[in-house]
Amino acid sequence: GENVEQHPSTLSVQEGDSAVIKCTYSDSASNYFPWYKQELGKGPQLIIDIRSNVGEKKDQRIAVTLNKTAKHFSLHITETQPEDSAVYFCAGTMNTGFQKLVFGTGTRLLVSP
Amino acid sequence: DTGVSQNPRHKITKRGQNVTFRCDPISEHNRLYWYRQTLGQGPEFLTYFQNEAQLEKSRLLSDRFSAERPKGSFSTLEIQRTEQGDSAMYLCASSLDSAINGYTFGSGTRLTVV
Repeated sequence: GENVEQHPSTLSVQEGDSAVIKCTYSDSASNYFPWYKQELGKGPQLIIDIRSNVGEKKDQRIAVTLNKTAKHFSLHITETQPEDSAVYFCAGTMNTGFQKLVFGTGTRLLVSP
Repeated sequence: DTGVSQNPRHKITKRGQNVTFRCDPISEHNRLYWYRQTLGQGPEFLTYFQNEAQLEKSRLLSDRFSAERPKGSFSTLEIQRTEQGDSAMYLCASSLDSAINGYTFGSGTRLTVV
């Protein structure tokens, strides 16, 4: 089955800096890769996703890149703000009729003012 | 309808007791998922419903766990004879029945078994 690895486990940046979180996946059949942000006491919130027929997707300060050959994808956050502090999870899945997401272990991002 | 609703938010129970959690998905979403999240880990898939039919169950879902979705609306997850290892956040999510859509998660039910 699919296995998703994520790193780093923690990331500390200064406000205004960029942050990059990387994930690798094992199953070459996986074709959908969402990123979730989870704040304390809340459920994961979808922030951006990418499909395997696209190499890059951007939404304001957030971008995701996908390298299918290397089986890795990354989340890029520019001009970080303190409210970006949270745990971020990557996930992968195959479009097999339903989405069984396989999540990474999470990255705790701390943005210091 | 502003999102996926889960109740209760917190549950403390003694080992051996039964517990039941409820999930109300976004009204037009016909897919419903249950995940479990332990401290410091990502969510792990438990089970999936399309309308009222339970179509997939993880090996994590032992015989003590049962989930239902009567009439394809809300869902319940019951854990019988709880064990300390069942302590976790139980997350419900829903999505539309189309090619690929992102999930919308609820805020979860945090279970503590003492």
